[in-house]
This record gives sequence, C-alpha cells and structure tokens, in this order.
Amino acid sequence: AQSVTQPDIHITVSEGASLELRCNYSYGATPYLFWYVQSPGQGLQLLLKYFSGDTLVQGIKGFEAEFKRSQSSFNLRKPSVHWSDAAEYFCAVGNSGNTGKLIFGQGTTLQVKP
Amino acid sequence: EAGVAQSPRYKIIEKRQSVAFWCNPISGHATLYWYQQILGQGPKLLIQFQNNGVVDDSQLPKDRFSAERLKGVDSTLKIQPAKLEDSAVYLCASSLATGQPQHFGDGTRLSIL
Repeated sequence: AQSVTQPDIHITVSEGASLELRCNYSYGATPYLFWYVQSPGQGLQLLLKYFSGDTLVQGIKGFEAEFKRSQSSFNLRKPSVHWSDAAEYFCAVGNSGNTGKLIFGQGTTLQVKP
Repeated sequence: EAGVAQSPRYKIIEKRQSVAFWCNPISGHATLYWYQQILGQGPKLLIQFQNNGVVDDSQLPKDRFSAERLKGVDSTLKIQPAKLEDSAVYLCASSLATGQPQHFGDGTRLSIL
C-alpha cells in the first residue's frame, strides 16, 4: 500500500539558514511526488512536483526537491529561509496510472526564528 | 484564473445535526476531490469525481456522508448525522484531469459540539 512518512513533525530554523524537510514514500511503481505548503486557515498550495525526468526539480518560492529512488525519498530544500516560509509542509505521493489519488504525509510544521 | 471556491468558511453544529459544504472548481477542471483534514494530520481523500461520475469513494463513510456533482461542475458534500469525530477541515480540490496537479480551496472548518 502507498504511504508517505515525514519524520519531522516540527522544525525550527533561523531566518537566512538553509532548510531540508524529509519525505520518504512507499510505492511499488514509479511514483508521482508532490510538495504542498499550507498557511494557517488556508488551503494547500503546490510548491513543486516530480513526474519523470530530471530528479532535481525546481519549484516556486525558491524551493527545490530531489527524487532519490534508491532511498525512496523526496526531500525538500531551500538555501535561505525567509520568515514568510513559516507554514506547514506536506509531501504527497500519487499515481496517474489509476485515479490520481494522493496520499499525504502528516506534515512538518516549520517555524522561522528572526 | 479564479481558484477553487468553497463555502462556508466556518460551520459550528451540534452532534446529530446535518451540514452541507459547497465547492466550485476551477473552470474547465474535470476532476474534483473532497478531502478531510483532521487537526495535526495530512488531508485524506473522501471522494473523487471525474466530471459527474464517482471515481473513488472507498474512504467515504457512506452511512453518514454523501456527495454529488450533478452537472459536472460544482459539488456538495453532506454529513447527516454529524458525529464529534467529524470535526475537521474539509478541503475541495480540482485538477484538469486525473494525475495532474491538484489546486485546493481554502476549506471549510467544521466544529461539532
């Protein structure tokens, strides 16, 4: 069965520091992978997606993620965090081969210190 | 382009009452999803429509939840009767087609007293 694990429930980084949020997935075939961000009281906004091809994908707001098949990981990175990046981040796995259903991880809350 | 619209934004009801949520997807998006997001968890798919047909409702508690998308555009999700454990944010999302990136509305926060 498909599953997504985000090992870190809460992360705190200083403004200007680099960031890496971890995501591990379980899926038998080639997965479609997504990172979404959710600010309080709002819906989810797509940061980036991996469907195929280059394993390093660029997203909005300066985020990038790297797909590593051997490690079943899709970690999200940003070289320099801004205070406005404080939010909850969700990794999700989907397969367009059937219904496109997404399985989400439980999320990582990012706090940014001034 | 206009995003996914949901209403109401907030709803408070007592247990055993009924409630309905409305969603209008992005124009032209054939696929519509309803998710339940319980506090501290990621969203969980309740039901997925392709145009006006149901693609996946395997995790919808059908004894109390129902959803429809009669004309293949907007959709309603209903709970009757509500239980305390239904307290959550209900998110609607749409995509051009299955497997394409999903665009989310701001959700309806439901509190059951």
